[in-house]
Amino acid sequence: GAGVSQTPSNKVTEKGKYVELRCDPISGHTALYWYRQSLGQGPEFLIYFQGTGAADDSGLPNDRFFAVRPEGSVSTLKIQRTERGDSAVYLCASSPWHGSTEAFFGQGTRLTVV
Amino acid sequence: TQLLEQSPQFLSIQEGENLTVYCNSSSVFSSLQWYRQEPGEGPVLLVTVVTGGEVKKLKRLTFQFGDARKDSSLHITAAQPGDTGLYLCAGSNSGYALNFGKGTSLLVTP
Repeated sequence: GAGVSQTPSNKVTEKGKYVELRCDPISGHTALYWYRQSLGQGPEFLIYFQGTGAADDSGLPNDRFFAVRPEGSVSTLKIQRTERGDSAVYLCASSPWHGSTEAFFGQGTRLTVV
Repeated sequence: TQLLEQSPQFLSIQEGENLTVYCNSSSVFSSLQWYRQEPGEGPVLLVTVVTGGEVKKLKRLTFQFGDARKDSSLHITAAQPGDTGLYLCAGSNSGYALNFGKGTSLLVTP
């Protein structure tokens, strides 16, 4: 596709379960970001990948959150032992190169932990 | 931590009116961006400003970056219902993470 694709669009899971959220960035974009947006808030930074490596993971709230990008394209955000407070929209964005000021966002995955 | 404060938080106006929304920070940013987000969608980039005092126009939207690169404004002339959405400002210093404000939710009624 032409844009950033995120799957699933919606995910409902029970407290304590493990979830994986997928992001397929724009082809050729080397920079990839994960953000989390809670109701009534702006997006909050989670992690940034330059290629395959996590260049900045300072926004991950705790060690239950982990993300990978093994081949420098698709990325997966993994959340272990989900809690109700993890409920939010998880947004992925990609940029053509490191330092680019243009970020292109996907439509997000709405995660609900019940 | 949200370093950017946006005001007003909510704005409801009628079609044809003009409006200005503000984005303020105590921090200096090397660039600042404005996004518009509609329900169920991700933010869409409207503009990037990088020079203090810079003014950019996008049809009926006028964006200004403060001289000290700490604040910005977005002015919409003759608002239309299609302008309805959440307007987010975001600052960047390192080319890494964007720091977003909470946004201004705009409703334009016919």
